[in-house]
Amino acid sequence: EAGVTQFPSHSVIEKGQTVTLRCDPISGHDNLYWYRRVMGKEIKFLLHFVKESKQDESGMPNNRFLAERTGGTYSTLKVQPAELEDSGVYFCASSRGFVDNSPLHFGNGTRLTVT
Amino acid sequence: QKEVEQDPGPLSVPEGAIVSLNCTYSNSAFQYFMWYRQYSRKGPELLMYTYSSGNKEDGRFTAQVDKSSKYISLFIRDSQPSDSATYLCAMSARLNYGNNRLAFGKGNQVVVIP
Repeated sequence: EAGVTQFPSHSVIEKGQTVTLRCDPISGHDNLYWYRRVMGKEIKFLLHFVKESKQDESGMPNNRFLAERTGGTYSTLKVQPAELEDSGVYFCASSRGFVDNSPLHFGNGTRLTVT
Repeated sequence: QKEVEQDPGPLSVPEGAIVSLNCTYSNSAFQYFMWYRQYSRKGPELLMYTYSSGNKEDGRFTAQVDKSSKYISLFIRDSQPSDSATYLCAMSARLNYGNNRLAFGKGNQVVVIP
């Protein structure tokens, strides 16, 4: 079984530019999550998809962040325009659908650096 | 007050020693408690999972949860160099079906010296 894959593994962009991160969950996993770790801080929840629907986006920092999940498969997280404080590691995770508290499987993350 | 507190100080131990890690939390709604292991440049990997209070043992790893004190622990016996990693505690409340929104601690970097 292939794990959660994220692309790119590392991205360096200038302030004001746009970046799109992609996540491919484990096949058959209905739940998809985005988390972020800013340097020196703990990993924090951003949002949760169930299939193609946003179930909980209360962790999204502001409207410069836009997440989509086309057809309930892969997901993208776009940051537009990027700011310096957006630098960090963005993790995607997936889990099986509608199983109470099923374990999350994390990808290796995308390391975003905004200069 | 942070939801989850984990003293992020690094920890170096000789091979074979017992590693002891802990977290405290403030949210009484947390019922699911996890420990993740993260190797450098990799994503967190679920190590131990406990529901409510009690102990759970898996090989050399033991997880303890004391909900009355809002305190969780992870013990690694007979530590090996391959255990060198960052260990993160995480927890969640019972939310709507299928939602597993985790609150993480900052993590402890553990180095096991051969």
